Amino acid sequence: EDQVTQSPEALRLQEGESSSLNCSYTVSGLRGLFWYRQDPGKGPEFLFTLYSAGEEKEKERLKATLTKKESFLHITAPKPEDSATYLCAALSGSARQLTFGSGTQLTVLP
Amino acid sequence: ETGVTQSPTHLIKTRGQQVTLRCSSQSGHNTVSWYQQALGQGPQFIFQYYREEENGRGNFPPRFSGLQFPNYSSELNVNALELDDSALYLCASALSGIQETQYFGPGTRLLVL
Repeated sequence: EDQVTQSPEALRLQEGESSSLNCSYTVSGLRGLFWYRQDPGKGPEFLFTLYSAGEEKEKERLKATLTKKESFLHITAPKPEDSATYLCAALSGSARQLTFGSGTQLTVLP
Repeated sequence: ETGVTQSPTHLIKTRGQQVTLRCSSQSGHNTVSWYQQALGQGPQFIFQYYREEENGRGNFPPRFSGLQFPNYSSELNVNALELDDSALYLCASALSGIQETQYFGPGTRLLVL
């Protein structure tokens, strides 16, 4: 059974304090690893797709990386507007569905 | 380009009733997936439609059913509502097939009393 685990569950940072969120996955034949941002009461907003180990993608203060077992979302010098829940999801070769983790709730304090 | 839209935004029903939620896909997208998201959890896959055919289903009972129309808009129907069905229901569309990036709508918040 495909599994995606995110850690930590919650993270509080001071503005400018860089950190990383972790996404561990167990899927058969990864076809894609997706990162989304979700604000309270809203739908997830697409951030990145990673397809193979070693791949990296960047957008503003965010950088996503992928290994054979994990993905990391690095946040450099975060701002209060980066506060949100960050979700990762894995698509396996055998499944016809995305498997989501439970998310990391990030709070950036001014 | 119009994004994914869902209606209604909020809904209150009582146990045993039936509900229909609606979704309009992003322009040019022929694949739509539905998810249930409980508070504090990640979205759980309900099912997916590709070119009007069901193309995959998660661990949800048959009282969860759906349709995709020729214009690729979609409906989620839930019969015999239970208290545990209270959640945010999300629709996501993709260009073509499961391997493509899915873009989510704002969701419908369903409360079952």
